Amino acid sequence: EDKVVQSPLSLVVHEGDTVTLNCSYEVTNFRSLLWYKQEKKAPTFLFMLTSSGIEKKSGRLSSILDKKELFSILNITATQTGDSAVYLCAAPKETSGSRLTFGEGTQLTVNP
Amino acid sequence: KAGVTQTPRYLIKTRGQQVTLSCSPISGHRSVSWYQQTPGQGLQFLFEYFSETQRNKGNFPGRFSGRQFSNSRSEMNVSTLELGDSALYLCASTTLGGQNEKLFFGSGTQLSVL
Repeated sequence: EDKVVQSPLSLVVHEGDTVTLNCSYEVTNFRSLLWYKQEKKAPTFLFMLTSSGIEKKSGRLSSILDKKELFSILNITATQTGDSAVYLCAAPKETSGSRLTFGEGTQLTVNP
Repeated sequence: KAGVTQTPRYLIKTRGQQVTLSCSPISGHRSVSWYQQTPGQGLQFLFEYFSETQRNKGNFPGRFSGRQFSNSRSEMNVSTLELGDSALYLCASTTLGGQNEKLFFGSGTQLSVL
């Protein structure tokens, strides 16, 4: 059975800090790994990392995929209070791109 | 382009009742998936519909069902509600539901069962 594990489960930092969120996975016939940000209700897409691309960057956010060690990290530099959210990591099943296995999520709180 | 729209936003029901939730996908998206999110279990896949057919199903009892209409809009139904069905129900859409497609989520329906 596919498994996605995130750590830490919660994190409290001050504005300006840099944070690293972790996601390890055990997925049959791995295809991709996705990161989402969930502030209130709707998870919003951040990154997709596939077997052919191991690093993505968007502004202060970046993510890398280590296919050998089966993990991914999400980095946020110069954190802002607006970065406070739950960050979710997920991987699709080999038979369905829409059937995602999610990790428990990391609750990030950025204090001013 | 409008996002994924779910109605209603909030719902309060009592045990034993049934409920129907609605989801309108992004225009042009034909795959609609449903997820249940609870504090204890996180986000769990319920089922996926594509071209009016259930294509994938998660590990939920038969009380959870769904359907998709010809315009790709989808509904899910939960019969004989139990307290444990209290959750945020999220709908997601994607073009074809294939690999390497990102899912777009709606804001969810918060269901409370009393």
